[in-house]
Amino acid sequence: LAKTTQPISMDSYEGQEVNITCSHNNIATNDYITWYQQFPSQGPRFIIQGYKTKVTNEVASLFIPADRKSSTLSLPRVSLSDTAVYYCLVGDSGGYQKVTFGIGTKLQVIP
Amino acid sequence: GAVVSQHPSRVICKSGTSVKIECRSLDFQATTMFWYRQFPKQSLMLMATSNEGSKATYEQGVEKDKFLINHASLTLSTLTVTSAHPEDSSFYICSARDDRRSSYEQYFGPGTRLTVT
Repeated sequence: LAKTTQPISMDSYEGQEVNITCSHNNIATNDYITWYQQFPSQGPRFIIQGYKTKVTNEVASLFIPADRKSSTLSLPRVSLSDTAVYYCLVGDSGGYQKVTFGIGTKLQVIP
Repeated sequence: GAVVSQHPSRVICKSGTSVKIECRSLDFQATTMFWYRQFPKQSLMLMATSNEGSKATYEQGVEKDKFLINHASLTLSTLTVTSAHPEDSSFYICSARDDRRSSYEQYFGPGTRLTVT
């Protein structure tokens, strides 16, 4: 299982774009990169998943460089409700695959 | 779609008693479900992998006789904390993989807050 490294915490003002970078130097060829969001006392919620280049959905973008040793979650124009812990995970796309959560990044959005 | 429920959402029990937590995939089948534990201000820690029709696989350091897992159907897995003690107080979260999808994306339940007094 590829290990991930993220900043422990980040602060941002409302309306700003937030970029959270995750390092995964030992990512395997079959591994996908997935980001989850967790609010206090709730289960994690899927945000976005990608393999390479750029992926965008209605809530975020995921940028993955060619070497795939890192990835950046981009949240456009954050609001107070985006205050949460964000986890970056890597793992095989197919079949049974357990994942290991790192410590995550605590994002605090400031009014 | 892809909703996972847990019951109960919170439970308080006395030390020495057993507590059962249910995890259900509401609109998909899940051969594989996972159980996590999360202590305050910490990350999720995988406890075990639950496979329908077979024995669960426990992570190192997790007592299989204390945390009994039963995955009797493709939509239900249960975690029973036996002879609970105050140190078992934690937030227990389950997740499930959709058998129809090739992605390993996991759908998480809302969690169960266990307090042992």
